[in-house]
Amino acid sequence: EVELVESGGDLVQPGGSLRLSCTASGFSFSTYWMSWVRQAPGKGLEWVANINQDGSQRSYVDSVKGRFTISRDNAHNLLYLQMNSLRAEDTAVYYCARHPDRNFDYWGQGTLVTVSS
Amino acid sequence: DVVMTQSPLSLPVTLGQPASISCRSSQSLVHSDGNIYLNWFQQRPGQSPRRLIYRVSNRDSGVPDRFSGSGSGTDFTLKISRVEAEDVGVYYCMQGTHWPPFTFGPGTKVDIK
Repeated sequence: EVELVESGGDLVQPGGSLRLSCTASGFSFSTYWMSWVRQAPGKGLEWVANINQDGSQRSYVDSVKGRFTISRDNAHNLLYLQMNSLRAEDTAVYYCARHPDRNFDYWGQGTLVTVSS
Repeated sequence: DVVMTQSPLSLPVTLGQPASISCRSSQSLVHSDGNIYLNWFQQRPGQSPRRLIYRVSNRDSGVPDRFSGSGSGTDFTLKISRVEAEDVGVYYCMQGTHWPPFTFGPGTKVDIK
């Protein structure tokens, strides 16, 4: 059974940093693109970043370029999102999602990031 | 970026009655490979999103057959043939043809009258 479990969400001050993790199981992690998608409180879904199977290709939504970095550790089935220079508008539940064929077929339960002083 | 719009944004429905959600894209979602990467997701209250339909009309495993997707080009529709209580939630369309970025519609909230 495919399972994605996010962790690392916390309350952080504006300008601060946080690293999110996503632990994958139940599938061959190294053969899939992976993405991070976020949802601000009471709002819709916003794709944040994705990464290909070996980490050689990464893309970001414009609002996080230069601040966020997606990475992966295929040996340990881990996906990461390093978030720097955090802003209030980054407050959201962050989901990791398996990402085959221009799609998101499995999602984790999400981890909440709150940026506030 | 491709802008996705949905209508209605709120959809009160009667149990057992049909429901229909429209999704439109700001440009054609036909990819150069001939596929249309338009997907539908359901988010029940307090839960993570769940994919229902991929590439316009393909239902995911375990999705009841009362859900169906159709459309082409820039106009797409998700239909529920007979709404059940467990269908309450927010429904999002999402395009994967032109990325980055992948873009979602604003969501349609379905609840029971």
